[in-house]
Amino acid sequence: GENVEQHPSTLSVQEGDSAVIKCTYSDSASNYFPWYKQELGKGPQLIIDIRSNVGEKKDQRIAVTLNKTAKHFSLHITETQPEDSAVYFCAAKGSGGSNYKLTFGKGTLLTVNP
Amino acid sequence: DAGVIQSPRHEVTEMGQEVTLRCKPISGHDYLFWYRQTMMRGLELLIYFNNNVPIDDSGMPEDRFSAKMPNASFSTLKIQPSEPRDSAVYFCAEGTSGNTIYFGEGSWLTVV
Repeated sequence: GENVEQHPSTLSVQEGDSAVIKCTYSDSASNYFPWYKQELGKGPQLIIDIRSNVGEKKDQRIAVTLNKTAKHFSLHITETQPEDSAVYFCAAKGSGGSNYKLTFGKGTLLTVNP
Repeated sequence: DAGVIQSPRHEVTEMGQEVTLRCKPISGHDYLFWYRQTMMRGLELLIYFNNNVPIDDSGMPEDRFSAKMPNASFSTLKIQPSEPRDSAVYFCAEGTSGNTIYFGEGSWLTVV
């Protein structure tokens, strides 16, 4: 099955700096890669996603890049703010019979220091 | 965002007791998922339904776990008997064939 590795597990930045979180996946047939933000005591919230026919997608201060050849994708947050502090998860949708199965990375705790 | 409603939000129960977690998805989303989140194992898919039919339950840990979806607006996840290692946050999530999945706020279960 699909395996998703996420790095780093913790990331601390100063307000205004950029933050980058990286994920790799194992199933070359995976075709959908969402990113979720989870705040304390809440459920994961989708912040951006990318499909395998696109190399990059941007939404205001958030961008995601995908390298299908290398099987990795990254989340970029620019001009970070304290409210960006949360746990971020990447995920990949694998192939096969149960092709709606999302496999998640272990998460990155992002802390933005004012 | 979709407004998946889960209950209870928090439950503390004794080992051996039956636990029932409930989920009320927004109508119109034809996929429903149950996930479990722990520090050690992260987010794990337990089971998912399509149009109320269970499609993949390979993530259900053992026979003590069962899930049902009697109609498009209600689903339950039951643990009987519960054990301390079942302590986790259980999320219900919903989606459409377009892949996007929306999570509820979770049910925090503690088994003592």
